[in-house]
Amino acid sequence: GAVVSQHPSWVICKSGTSVKIECRSLDFQATTMFWYRQFPKQSLMLMATSNEGSKATYEQGVEKDKFLINHASLTLSTLTVTSAHPEDSSFYICSARAGGRGTGGGYTFGSGTRLTVV
Amino acid sequence: LAKTTQPISMDSYEGQEVNITCSHNNIATNDYITWYQQFPSQGPRFIIQGYKTKVTNEVASLFIPADRKSSTLSLPRVSLSDTAVYYCLVGRVGSSNTGKLIFGQGTTLQVKP
Repeated sequence: GAVVSQHPSWVICKSGTSVKIECRSLDFQATTMFWYRQFPKQSLMLMATSNEGSKATYEQGVEKDKFLINHASLTLSTLTVTSAHPEDSSFYICSARAGGRGTGGGYTFGSGTRLTVV
Repeated sequence: LAKTTQPISMDSYEGQEVNITCSHNNIATNDYITWYQQFPSQGPRFIIQGYKTKVTNEVASLFIPADRKSSTLSLPRVSLSDTAVYYCLVGRVGSSNTGKLIFGQGTTLQVKP
């Protein structure tokens, strides 16, 4: 089945630094990927839709200059949290649609990245 | 995108059947109903999807009444490892759709020994 690999699985960074999270579709091409953020005991909140070869579409309230998304190829999207602050500490999850190769309409999720900003 | 309403939490015991109901009064004609499972510190995992009547796979069944305004996820004989958050999503899914998935609050299922 379709597999989405997310890296790193966890990261600790100092306040003010930037962190990059990678999301790769391993056995399929994904023109569209999605980035979510999840705080403890809360549901997934969609941050942005990443489109290959074009600018990402951000949800209302999400700062595009803080959460930089690059979707340079059909198998890789990256989320960079710039000038991270403790309030950015969260669980970040990516998702991609594998078309008929996946299940649930083809949406497959990565395993998530736990970001802790100290 | 149709809004969904689920119970916030449910408790069960090992070996019991668990039914989680989701309300989606504004479901559109082309919308499917999809359920995901999420364990702590993991991404959601697809459980089952349906459009109408009943769908069954190796892990669950999905019951959808004729008016499609609600759906029930049925987990037979749950075990401790079924303790997780279950999300009901409603939206258009298909070969040409790249629409975003919006998650509601989900139902936290706690299975007790």
